[in-house]
Amino acid sequence: DTGVSQDPRHKITKRGQNVTFRCDPISEHNRLYWYRQTLGQGPEFLTYFQNEAQLEKSRLLSDRFSAERPKGSFSTLEIQRTEQGDSAMYLCASSLAWEGQTRYNEQFFGPGTRLTVL
Amino acid sequence: QQQVKQSPQSLIVQKGGISIINCAYENTAFDYFPWYQQFPGKGPALLIAIRPDVSEKKEGRFTISFNKSAKQFSLHIMDSQPGDSATYFCAAKAPGGSNYKLTFGKGTLLTVNP
Repeated sequence: DTGVSQDPRHKITKRGQNVTFRCDPISEHNRLYWYRQTLGQGPEFLTYFQNEAQLEKSRLLSDRFSAERPKGSFSTLEIQRTEQGDSAMYLCASSLAWEGQTRYNEQFFGPGTRLTVL
Repeated sequence: QQQVKQSPQSLIVQKGGISIINCAYENTAFDYFPWYQQFPGKGPALLIAIRPDVSEKKEGRFTISFNKSAKQFSLHIMDSQPGDSATYFCAAKAPGGSNYKLTFGKGTLLTVNP
């Protein structure tokens, strides 16, 4: 299966600790997105990369959050000094980048990382 | 401001029945409207999508109906099966290279009774 993968699938941490999540997109996809989903809600956009460049960050992404995509392949999302309000499912998605490509609009999601902050 | 409003919040249908989920949007710049299916503990999976230049798109038992003037679109699941029980999200995206993010509705929990 060459879909989007995320690691870990579950993370339980204590308030104040730092956590890091990893996302491996579909190999030919230039764009990579991070979304956050809380219980009973749809995913909310956090940030996105085109290749290694982080082009947009949502206002939801406080300065405790940082994301990287160092070589334009996998990405990491780090949360420093976690708070209970950070508990959520963190979803990664990827897509093609160029408007002329077939299926350009389609974003494919990974299984998510469920974060619980105690 | 909620740009995509989804209803109902939950839906119970008998096996073999038709499930209908509705979404309304505000941003007339949106030009791509996907539906995602999500099972508990899993990421959303792309089900079907439509662009506003067509009024209907059908893939198997799933149909999207699109009403551009009303700024509404809906998902119809024909011959609903217990395996269709999941949460369904509508979403929308604006065009152009700088418009990349999906804006999601709040979801509809569908239960199909056997």
